Amino acid sequence: AQSVTQLGSHVSVSEGALVLLRCNYSSSVPPYLFWYVQYPNQGLQLLLKYTTGATLVKGINGFEAEFKKSETSFHLTKPSAHMSDAAEYFCAASLGNTPLVFGKGTRLSVIA
Amino acid sequence: NAGVMQNPRHLVRRRGQEARLRCSPMKGHSHVYWYRQLPEEGLKFMVYLQKENIIDESGMPKERFSAEFPKEGPSILRIQQVVRGDSAAYFCASSPPGGLFANTGELFFGEGSRLTVL
Repeated sequence: AQSVTQLGSHVSVSEGALVLLRCNYSSSVPPYLFWYVQYPNQGLQLLLKYTTGATLVKGINGFEAEFKKSETSFHLTKPSAHMSDAAEYFCAASLGNTPLVFGKGTRLSVIA
Repeated sequence: NAGVMQNPRHLVRRRGQEARLRCSPMKGHSHVYWYRQLPEEGLKFMVYLQKENIIDESGMPKERFSAEFPKEGPSILRIQQVVRGDSAAYFCASSPPGGLFANTGELFFGEGSRLTVL
């Protein structure tokens, strides 16, 4: 069965520092990959997605992620954290004919 | 252009009561998905519906839970005889016609319904 693993349930960075949130998937076939962000008491908003083509994907709010098939990874990065980035981030995967499977989420805290 | 609409946003029930959660998909979308979010657990898939048809209910608990998406009106997730363990946020998502096959799996989420069972 397909699964998504997010390393670190909580990540804390200083404002202006690099943000790195890790995501690995298990699938014999490269899936479609997504990062969603959830602010407190709100729904999920799509940050970016990888379907086919370029493996470095740029999203909203300065975030980007790179699909690495050899590492089965899709880590999310942002060069410089902002206070407004504090939220919960979910990595998700789909084989295209299956509903999205989510990781358990990583809560990002940004320290002034 | 309204997004996915869920109501109620917050619902409180006593043990043994019924909970009904409603979801109207985005305009033009014909597929609806329900997910449950428990603390520290992420989102767990429950059920995937098309109008008048359940496509995948592999994530639905075998008892007390049911879902429908009638020809007219919103999709409804129904929980009978609620227990404290049902307390969670329930999210609805939708996708355009063609469902997963046509849309690379991307889903558009509502703001969720938060159920508290006393």
